[in-house]
Amino acid sequence: DGGITQSPKYLFRKEGQNVTLSCEQNLNHDAMYWYRQDPGQGLRLIYYSQIVNDFQKGDIAEGYSVSREKKESFPLTVTSAQKNPTAFYLCASTWIGGGASGNTIYFGEGSWLTVV
Amino acid sequence: GIQVEQSPPDLILQEGANSTLRCNFSDSVNNLQWFHQNPWGQLINLFYIPSGTKQNGRLSATTVATERYSLLYISSSQTTDSGVYFCAVERYTGTASKLTFGTGTRLQVTL
Repeated sequence: DGGITQSPKYLFRKEGQNVTLSCEQNLNHDAMYWYRQDPGQGLRLIYYSQIVNDFQKGDIAEGYSVSREKKESFPLTVTSAQKNPTAFYLCASTWIGGGASGNTIYFGEGSWLTVV
Repeated sequence: GIQVEQSPPDLILQEGANSTLRCNFSDSVNNLQWFHQNPWGQLINLFYIPSGTKQNGRLSATTVATERYSLLYISSSQTTDSGVYFCAVERYTGTASKLTFGTGTRLQVTL
């Protein structure tokens, strides 16, 4: 089945540690995204990538890093510099270029990160 | 940036009732999407609808781009419709989507 796979589903981090969230897609989408969702809130964009080996900061990039070495993969590292990392993290992907369905965005199932 | 407001913030319905969710946005957009987030966090795309009207089963959506709002209609609601409904918009297309999300409408459908 085509889709977006995120892992792990649940992750606990000690203060001062870096952690990496995995995101893989087999939809052959060009662009990939990472969003953060806090309780009762909408989604905020952390980073996005339109092409391999290139990525751009979103609205809340501080304390996060990403890489895009393969079209299918877009891992997110939550660094120790992120002061309040406890949140729900969602990976997404889209085609680029519009068309009848536009840039319809598809999401993974998300990863819950808790700082202990 | 574009501001997105959704109303109502919370809605409780009895099964079988109809409802209308509203999304207002502050600037012209080329990309507007509606999503349903289930209680387990999964976000499902419902509609890509920058203008006009679309229907999918018991759901339909209308966007009046000139007046900067979109409506999501849910008819004959079921308990499985419970969750949070998000509207997201973007001014540009043709590149990677930088969607701006509203804070959502939390819907609870009871028996």
